[in-house]
Amino acid sequence: SAVISQKPSRDICQRGTSLTIQCQVDSQVTMMFWYRQQPGQSLTLIATANQGSEATYESGFVIDKFPISRPNLTFSTLTVSNMSPEDSSIYLCSVVRLSGPDTQYFGPGTRLTVL
Amino acid sequence: GQSLEQPSEVTAVEGAIVQINCTYQTSGFYGLSWYQQHDGGAPTFLSYNALDGLEETGRFSSFLSRSDSYGYLLLQELQMKDSASYFCAVPNTDKLIFGTGTRLQVFP
Repeated sequence: SAVISQKPSRDICQRGTSLTIQCQVDSQVTMMFWYRQQPGQSLTLIATANQGSEATYESGFVIDKFPISRPNLTFSTLTVSNMSPEDSSIYLCSVVRLSGPDTQYFGPGTRLTVL
Repeated sequence: GQSLEQPSEVTAVEGAIVQINCTYQTSGFYGLSWYQQHDGGAPTFLSYNALDGLEETGRFSSFLSRSDSYGYLLLQELQMKDSASYFCAVPNTDKLIFGTGTRLQVFP
């Protein structure tokens, strides 16, 4: 399995501010993804983080609101910009390892509360 | 569009058997995965069915019927630690689309 860490693990932020979440993997991976999970709900894919190029966003998510970087094969960041209380959620990164596409491994998540 | 429907909640007692169903509508189907997520934890991979039939891994089994666009996760000899949310998921190119999720509560 892949060891994935996320920072911060949780944060409480004020409306209108931005937060950058970091995701670090212990080995090179092919794909990295960012998900959002609201309490008691399923996981919704925000975007695929592409190494060295712009992320691929899912319907309903835009780069201005959720800029993503992936400078190398083991690290990515997600920024939640100009936050509102509706952005309160858990944000998870996940990876697919080089060994095969059938399994995704998830980071521990970042619990964000926006006041 | 794509959708994966699951029952929202299932309850059972320790030692029992429970089945969590997943019906899906997707464009281009490659297989069905199952993930477990404890409260406050990250989703963890349980199983993947690429072909029709039953896959067994210890107390957990997963079944797929492509013709029925249906699968299920079977949990046997339930333990308290099995209380969690369970998600089916389908790969779409390189990404996963998750089902609505089923919260399993196991009672003593």
